[in-house]
Amino acid sequence: NAGVMQNPRHLVRRRGQEARLRCSPMKGHSHVYWYRQLPEEGLKFMVYLQKENIIDESGMPKERFSAEFPKEGPSILRIQQVVRGDSAAYFCASSQDMNTEAFFGQGTRLTVV
Amino acid sequence: TQLLEQSPQFLSIQEGENLTVYCNSSSVFSSLQWYRQEPGEGPVLLVTVVTGGEVKKLKRLTFQFGDARKDSSLHITAAQPGDTGLYLCAGMRRAGTALIFGKGTTLSVSS
Repeated sequence: NAGVMQNPRHLVRRRGQEARLRCSPMKGHSHVYWYRQLPEEGLKFMVYLQKENIIDESGMPKERFSAEFPKEGPSILRIQQVVRGDSAAYFCASSQDMNTEAFFGQGTRLTVV
Repeated sequence: TQLLEQSPQFLSIQEGENLTVYCNSSSVFSSLQWYRQEPGEGPVLLVTVVTGGEVKKLKRLTFQFGDARKDSSLHITAAQPGDTGLYLCAGMRRAGTALIFGKGTTLSVSS
């Protein structure tokens, strides 16, 4: 019974490159949430997706950031033309439905050099 | 402004002591969850409380949800070094919305 799987665990990108972060939810979970965490700060909500639909993207920057959760395959958080300020830990969580508990993956630590 | 305020921000205690951390808001939440996070890892769910006044126990940890569902507390009895970590509270304003997190309480328990 695997938990939420995120990969890669660590990602280094040069300024201007693209970063793709993947999240496979727990089996049976169709709701996915992406959060960003900076040192000394809590987790900041970015986007909430249900299979093939974006439910709430109010926390995601309008430019350079996009997210998808296709019918088949993992959820992808994509950051285009990365800048140093994008360096952070990005966490994905999944839940069975909108009323149940969310379980987190181990995160992807993005470093932009 | 932070919707969920956690206090204290840092807490350093000796093994065997008791402690309480708080999570406060001016907003009502349909449910509230507590997580513990260790360095380099994702948050691990400890408990969910949904009813005002609810108290849940998890071994030496006691969680309480305020009567008005605006605040919560986590009490640890006889803390151990293994309790060291970042404790995060997270609330759901209403069903179908994403969790909102506080900044967390960093607990250090020394032997």
